[in-house]
Amino acid sequence: KNQVEQSPQSLIILEGKNCTLQCNYTVSPFSNLRWYKQDTGRGPVSLTIMTFSENTKSNGRYTATLDADTKQSSLHITASQLSDSASYICVVSDWGAQKLVFGQGTRLTINP
Amino acid sequence: NAGVTQTPKFQVLKTGQSMTLQCAQDMNHNSMYWYRQDPGMGLRLIYYSASEGTTDKGEVPNGYNVSRLNKREFSLRLESAAPSQTSVYFCASSYYRGSGETQYFGPGTRLLVL
Repeated sequence: KNQVEQSPQSLIILEGKNCTLQCNYTVSPFSNLRWYKQDTGRGPVSLTIMTFSENTKSNGRYTATLDADTKQSSLHITASQLSDSASYICVVSDWGAQKLVFGQGTRLTINP
Repeated sequence: NAGVTQTPKFQVLKTGQSMTLQCAQDMNHNSMYWYRQDPGMGLRLIYYSASEGTTDKGEVPNGYNVSRLNKREFSLRLESAAPSQTSVYFCASSYYRGSGETQYFGPGTRLLVL
């Protein structure tokens, strides 16, 4: 069964610190992997998309990495801000079924 | 551009009642989707419409029906609500239904079925 597992489930860090969120997937064949940010009470918003051939992609203070061999991705947040408090969702595209497989998300809280 | 809008924002129903969740997008997207989000689980696809005039079942379609009213609007109907349908419902749209297409989500409708 195609799955996407994220860790940790929740994370609390102090403002200004860095953090890394993990995503492991079993989706095959793989098309691409996205990270979404979901603020409380809002819909998810796309942060990055990575294809099979990409190892790293940055979007401001967010840097996503992908290792297609080990089926792992990470999202690194640098110099966290209070506005980074949100859930971060890893989404993998199943090429064959043309469907998206969503992880359960990591709830990140930034404390002042 | 408002993007994807959903109404209502919040709704309480009694078991057996019916209701329709409304969704509209102003991005001229061809494809639209309905998801539900439950605690501790990833978003799950209920129904989608790849293009105007077509609808297809997703992962969890039981208990729901949809209508693609026109290119802009895609509604989700619960004919006889059950407590298991308590969830947050998100509508999304994309230019086409393809793995490379970014989906844009609405703000969600929070539904409580008593």
